[in-house]
Amino acid sequence: GNSVTQMEGPVTLSEEAFLTINCTYTATGYPSLFWYVQYPGEGLQLLLKATKADDKGSNKGFEATYRKETTSFHLEKGSVQVSDSAVYFCALIQGGSEKLVFGKGTKLTVNP
Amino acid sequence: EAQVTQNPRYLITVTGKKLTVTCSQNMNHEYMSWYRQDPGLGLRQIYYSMNVEVTDKGDVPEGYKVSRKEKRNFPLILESPSPNQTSLYFCASRKTQGRDEQFFGPGTRLTVL
Repeated sequence: GNSVTQMEGPVTLSEEAFLTINCTYTATGYPSLFWYVQYPGEGLQLLLKATKADDKGSNKGFEATYRKETTSFHLEKGSVQVSDSAVYFCALIQGGSEKLVFGKGTKLTVNP
Repeated sequence: EAQVTQNPRYLITVTGKKLTVTCSQNMNHEYMSWYRQDPGLGLRQIYYSMNVEVTDKGDVPEGYKVSRKEKRNFPLILESPSPNQTSLYFCASRKTQGRDEQFFGPGTRLTVL
C-alpha cells in the first residue's frame, strides 16, 4: 500500500541555519504530495504541495520538489527562524483514493 | 472565516462514560475525517465521510462511532471509552477532490482515566 517515510526527529537548529527534512514515499501511479505543519497547540495546516513530477511547492521560504525518480519530496529552507519551530508532516494522496497518508512527523526546534 | 471547529478542546473522563466530540465546518466540504495523534505513531485515521449519510472506517475504527446527518457536522462518539483512547483527536475536512487542501480543527485532548 501507499506509505510515507520521513526522517526521525527531533531536529534542533540554530536560527538562520539551513533545514532539510527528508521524505520518501511508496505509491503506485502519480500521487500528489504535501507538507503540513503543526505549530504548538494547533491543528495541522498545509504548508505546500506538488501534484506532478518535477513540480516545486513553495511557501513561507520553504520549498520541496517532487522527484519521481527518487520517490522523494524533501523539505528545505535556507534560513530558519525561531517561529518555524513546529512538527512537520509529509503526506501523499493517491489519485482515485480519498485517503491522505501521513508520515510520522518530524519535530523541529529552532533556538535563537 | 473558513474553519473547522471542535468541542470540547480538553476533556478528562472515566472509563465507560459515553462521550461525544463535535466537529463542524463552514466551507461546505463533502469530505470529513477524524484522526488521532499519538507520540511515535503520527496521525492515524479513525473514520471518514464522503458526504451526508456516507461514512467508512479508517485505519483504527475500533471503539469509535461517527454519524453524518448534516454536511457541516461530523461528531465522533466513544460509547464506552477506555484508557487506550487517551489521545489528541483532530477533525478535518476538504472538498471531495483529493488533491485539495485538507483543513484541520484545533484538536481535542482526551484523557480517559
